[in-house]
Amino acid sequence: AQKITQTQPGMFVQEKEAVTLDCTYDTSDQSYGLFWYKQPSSGEMIFLIYQGSYDEQNATEGRYSLNFQKARKSANLVISASQLGDSAMYFCAMRVPPSGTYKYIFGTGTRLKVLA
Amino acid sequence: GAVVSQHPSRVICKSGTSVKIECRSLDFQATTMFWYRQFPKQSLMLMATSNEGSKATYEQGVEKDKFLINHASLTLSTLTVTSAHPEDSSFYICSAMPQNRGYSNQPQHFGDGTRLSIL
Repeated sequence: AQKITQTQPGMFVQEKEAVTLDCTYDTSDQSYGLFWYKQPSSGEMIFLIYQGSYDEQNATEGRYSLNFQKARKSANLVISASQLGDSAMYFCAMRVPPSGTYKYIFGTGTRLKVLA
Repeated sequence: GAVVSQHPSRVICKSGTSVKIECRSLDFQATTMFWYRQFPKQSLMLMATSNEGSKATYEQGVEKDKFLINHASLTLSTLTVTSAHPEDSSFYICSAMPQNRGYSNQPQHFGDGTRLSIL
């Protein structure tokens, strides 16, 4: 069965420090994509970063990087130099394409609070 | 680029009324759009996949007659909550996929969501 697991319901980090949000996944497919989204309290879903199963390098987008460990089936999000505006809910999602749809499987999310 | 507009952002209405929510892709064409429901402090729950020109594909447990989806053009999908009741109160959010692009690394682009409150 395909599944995304986020084991940290809540995290705190001090402003300007780095934080890692965990995400593990389960799929028997060889081809898949992993996505991270940020959801502030206002509700919109903001796309942060993508990692493909065949990508050899870890994805990076500004202060966001993805620690992709394929053998462990983990795709942890690292936020460097945390800012107060990073306080939000963070969702990890997986897309497995073979069925011809583009559906996501979402994790339960991690609520991050950045402390001043 | 890849902007998705969702309207209205908030709706408060009486029990028994029907509510229509629009999801528009503003700067791209979307063959596929998705409708999600989110309860407070929970993850997004996929309700249905909306395909332009064909019937929507509903997830198990989602009432087709309660949640009517129409995807009449490549830029517009609508979700109508029929005869809404207080238990239908929730946050509804749509997303869209750009047409004719390799799916592999294309993210879903989300609207800002609609907070529906049924009194």
